[in-house]
Amino acid sequence: KAGVTQTPRYLIKTRGQQVTLSCSPISGHRSVSWYQQTPGQGLQFLFEYFSETQRNKGNFPGRFSGRQFSNSRSEMNVSTLELGDSALYLCASSLAVGLSGDTQYFGPGTRLTVL
Amino acid sequence: AQTVTQSQPEMSVQEAETVTLSCTYDTSENNYYLFWYKQPPSRQMILVIRQEAYKQQNATENRFSVNFQKAAKSFSLKISDSQLGDTAMYFCAFMKTDNAGNMLTFGGGTRLMVKP
Repeated sequence: KAGVTQTPRYLIKTRGQQVTLSCSPISGHRSVSWYQQTPGQGLQFLFEYFSETQRNKGNFPGRFSGRQFSNSRSEMNVSTLELGDSALYLCASSLAVGLSGDTQYFGPGTRLTVL
Repeated sequence: AQTVTQSQPEMSVQEAETVTLSCTYDTSENNYYLFWYKQPPSRQMILVIRQEAYKQQNATENRFSVNFQKAAKSFSLKISDSQLGDTAMYFCAFMKTDNAGNMLTFGGGTRLMVKP
């Protein structure tokens, strides 16, 4: 079975621009979560999508948004980019058999650099 | 809110030896899950081991085992017969089981270097 895939793998943007990152979960997985990883803040939860609905949201400004499609693929969008948004963005998928407690499997990440 | 603390920012071990990585967490929940993930230089986050809090038996996966002390809120990872490929960042993570979805809270990580 193919793993979680993320595109693009690398991205360079300038301040003020917006960006869209894509994540395709493992086949059959229905939940997709997004995390931001930076040297200063570590790994922080952004949001989780299940059945095309946002089920959880972390403590990030409204510039960060996401969505999930009927095939479970997910996108996250960051508008009005700031230098501090430079990070590795990780996507993780899980089966979502239960309401919580599912093991998450991670993609390779998208490295975003904001200049 | 839950917090996860990894008190060892960096560790090193000789190949074939055993090393233990520490993790403590703070929660008022009674049921939850704990995980160890490994992130090698490739940045791919890989699941190492998972522990359900309601299980008293410590989880094991080949050379990896945990020492789960629920009362002490401690969840350490033991790596036996260390191999060069074990060189990576190791993250301890916590997940609630409150039927509100899957959200991992991560510790700050421990950088492990396995030396030949």
